[in-house]
Amino acid sequence: GDSVIQMQGQVTLSENDFLFINCTYSTTGYPTLFWYVQYSGEGPQLLLQVTTANNKGSSRGFEATYDKGTTSFHLQKTSVQEIDSAVYYCAMRDCGSFNKLTFGAGTRLAVCP
Amino acid sequence: NAGVIQTPRHKVTGKGQEATLWCEPISGHSAVFWYRQTIVQGLEFLTYFRNQAPIDDSGMPKERFSAQMPNQSHSTLKIQSTQPQDSAVYLCASSLLVGALGNTLYFGEGSRLIVV
Repeated sequence: GDSVIQMQGQVTLSENDFLFINCTYSTTGYPTLFWYVQYSGEGPQLLLQVTTANNKGSSRGFEATYDKGTTSFHLQKTSVQEIDSAVYYCAMRDCGSFNKLTFGAGTRLAVCP
Repeated sequence: NAGVIQTPRHKVTGKGQEATLWCEPISGHSAVFWYRQTIVQGLEFLTYFRNQAPIDDSGMPKERFSAQMPNQSHSTLKIQSTQPQDSAVYLCASSLLVGALGNTLYFGEGSRLIVV
C-alpha cells in the first residue's frame, strides 16, 4: 500500500538557520505531494502542494520539490524564525483517491531565538 | 467564513462508555474526512464521505467505531465501549474536491478524547 516515511522526528534550530526536511514515498500510482504544518492547539493546515516532479512549490518562504527518481520530496527554508516552530507533515495523495491523504510521522521544529 | 467546527474540543469518558464526536464541515465542501492523531501513530486516516455517501472506511477499527453523515452540514464519529487505547485527538477535515483549491484538506482543531 501507499506509505510515506518521514525520519526526522525533531529538529532544533536557531533563528536564521537553514531548514531541510526530507520524506520518501511509496506508491504504485501518480502522487500529488503536500506539506502540512500544525501549530500548537490547531489542526494541520496546508503549507505547500507539489504536483509535478522537479517543479517547486513555494509559500511563506518555504520551498518544496520532489524527485520522482528517488521517490523523495523535501521542504526547505533559507532562514527560519521562531514563529516557524510547529510540526511539519509530509503527505501524499494517490491519483484517484479523492483527497485521501497518507501522512508521514511529522517533524517537530523548534526554533530558538 | 467559519472553518471546520468540531465539538466537543475535549472529552473525558470512563472506560466502557460511549463517545460521540461531531463535525461541521465548511459550507459547500463535498467531502468530509476523519483522522486520528496520537503521538505514537501520528495522523491515521479513518474514513471519508463524499456528498454524504461513505466512500472509504478502510482505516476504521472493525469494532466499536462508526461514522455517519446524515446531512451535508454535519458528520459524527461514534465510539462504543471506549477503551484507554482510543485516547487520541480526532480530527475532521473537509474538502471541495474540485477547482483550484480542490486538493486542500481543511482541518478542524480536533476533539481530544481521554478514556480513563
